[in-house]
Amino acid sequence: GQQVMQIPQYQHVQEGEDFTTYCNSSTTLSNIQWYKQRPGGHPVFLIQLVKSGEVKKQKRLTFQFGEAKKNSSLHITATQTTDVGTYFCAGLLPDSNYQLIWGAGTKLIIKP
Amino acid sequence: GAVVSQHPSWVICKSGTSVKIECRSLDFQATTMFWYRQFPKQSLMLMATSNEGSKATYEQGVEKDKFLINHASLTLSTLTVTSAHPEDSSFYICSASYPGRSEQFFGPGTRLTVL
Repeated sequence: GQQVMQIPQYQHVQEGEDFTTYCNSSTTLSNIQWYKQRPGGHPVFLIQLVKSGEVKKQKRLTFQFGEAKKNSSLHITATQTTDVGTYFCAGLLPDSNYQLIWGAGTKLIIKP
Repeated sequence: GAVVSQHPSWVICKSGTSVKIECRSLDFQATTMFWYRQFPKQSLMLMATSNEGSKATYEQGVEKDKFLINHASLTLSTLTVTSAHPEDSSFYICSASYPGRSEQFFGPGTRLTVL
């Protein structure tokens, strides 16, 4: 079936370093969404990308959607302790009942 | 806006009992709600999609007679875990979408422990 692969599973960074997570779909997506789940919390919607090649920024976070609408990335510049958590991508398939296909998540860990 | 509540936040029950979890969209009407299960350090596993006024659509491998879903109104969906067993212990999270939109807003989750 359709899948969204997300890598890496974990990323350890020093505070102030950059962080990137990547998602790749086996099929073209209608849109891709990004969510953040803090430890012990629930996923929180961050952003949605719809257009081919779209780039959106939220302060230190940069989100990209590939030209083929199959891949996406989230880049965080100069990580802070508040960025800790698991970042999930989720793709919307065409003609689906608004069901999202979820990536496995990338856990951002800040080294002490 | 887009606040989703879930109750209870945690529950401990004996094996063989049934547990009901409520999911409410507090400030919007949600025609579609989703129920997920999340194991420790893992991603979200979609259990079922719930549409107001119709039967839920269950994902492959999810027993509909064990996980009963009722979406009786535009703001309330319930998940009942019937005859719970220790292997049903997990974190259950609901989400809701605005009509015609795909982004999901999640409840805080319910941690179920079956003894």
